[in-house]
Amino acid sequence: NAGVTQTPKFQVLKTGQSMTLQCAQDMNHEYMSWYRQDPGMGLRLIHYSVGAGITDQGEVPNGYNVSRSTTEDFPLRLLSAAPSQTSVYFCASRARTGLGDEQYFGPGTRLTVT
Amino acid sequence: AQKITQTQPGMFVQEKEAVTLDCTYDTSDPSYGLFWYKQPSSGEMIFLIYQGSYDQQNATEGRYSLNFQKARKSANLVISASQLGDSAMYFCAMRVSRYSGAGSYQLTFGKGTKLSVIP
Repeated sequence: NAGVTQTPKFQVLKTGQSMTLQCAQDMNHEYMSWYRQDPGMGLRLIHYSVGAGITDQGEVPNGYNVSRSTTEDFPLRLLSAAPSQTSVYFCASRARTGLGDEQYFGPGTRLTVT
Repeated sequence: AQKITQTQPGMFVQEKEAVTLDCTYDTSDPSYGLFWYKQPSSGEMIFLIYQGSYDQQNATEGRYSLNFQKARKSANLVISASQLGDSAMYFCAMRVSRYSGAGSYQLTFGKGTKLSVIP
């Protein structure tokens, strides 16, 4: 049972480079989201999706793009990496049934932008 | 907008003792859910416990219990009989039920409390 998977686990980029962080879930969850975690800041929502073809911005969306072409996949694209995007990125998913549904997190991607 | 406040950046507890991690929240929505997550040094986010705003009783899961005081808007996590493996970051989070713009239905997190268990 894979749950939520993220690739890569670690990545180093130079300023200005672009890349895509991959996220996939095999639980047929409708809701998926991306968070970033910075020291002393907790997790902050970047973008989220409530179903295939539907995405919306979270608290800190600038510099990131998302798309949701399938239920399973929710990639996060960094358009032009900046040092301020150095962070740990978590993808999460949950079923669209109840307020108390557990949000399942992927293992995270540690990104460093130099 | 929703807000979670965790005022204790770090806490120490003796092994086998109980510890309370504080969490206060702010929302105007009458229907909401409160969550606690544990993040060990390995980095994964582990769900611990959930409390709904309309739940009559405080939630419990094994050694974890949630001290829910609705009028005070607090949702403190109590860990009984602390173990060395409890050393980790702990995050309080909230989800509201009503659509309220950016991030609706998603979790809003506090900044976390680092718990260290002393042998």
